[in-house]
Amino acid sequence: DVKVTQSSRYLVKRTGEKVFLECVQDMDHENMFWYRQDPGLGLRLIYFSYDVKMKEKGDIPEGYSVSREKKERFSLILESASTNQTSMYLCASRRDREGGYTFGSGTRLTVV
Amino acid sequence: GENVEQHPSTLSVQEGDSAVIKCTYSDSASNYFPWYKQELGKRPQLIIDIRSNVGEKKDQRIAVTLNKTAKHFSLHITETQPEDSAVYFCAADSGYSTLTFGKGTMLLVSP
Repeated sequence: DVKVTQSSRYLVKRTGEKVFLECVQDMDHENMFWYRQDPGLGLRLIYFSYDVKMKEKGDIPEGYSVSREKKERFSLILESASTNQTSMYLCASRRDREGGYTFGSGTRLTVV
Repeated sequence: GENVEQHPSTLSVQEGDSAVIKCTYSDSASNYFPWYKQELGKRPQLIIDIRSNVGEKKDQRIAVTLNKTAKHFSLHITETQPEDSAVYFCAADSGYSTLTFGKGTMLLVSP
């Protein structure tokens, strides 16, 4: 019954590497989101997309980019990974403003 | 933009007690307020939500209240059980279909 799937549960990358985090949803939702979750800071919005090829910056977009070539897939890209990007990354989708998010299981990224 | 404050950051109760978590928001245009429960190592899951045209909503042992004038909303859990132990997040709709989240409350229910 998994509806939002993140490709990796755990990932270890080296500083300076380009990192791709993939998220796929099967609910035909228009809206998709990337958050990072850090202890004491809650969930902070990195980027979101309300349609194919559309993207909007969230609260903390620096060092990240996104891609949405198909409705069901939303990718988060770390152009040059740094240690301060070590975090839990959560993808979510939402049909419209009438309901809540459905989250993926998360990707715990460690940058060494 | 929207700002959501959540209190307390940690809450310890005995099994059977009630637990209350409070949130305030800043944007008077916000009209949707969900609550998420995140168990250790798992994804956040929606447990209850409320819209601005409603003052209270109940679902078994959990309830949410909303005071639009004061811009605050609360989660109430009655007859707490050990399986209620988790991190709880409140959120407010902040436009563009995005949600702004509080920093979370770690609830620990002791047997």
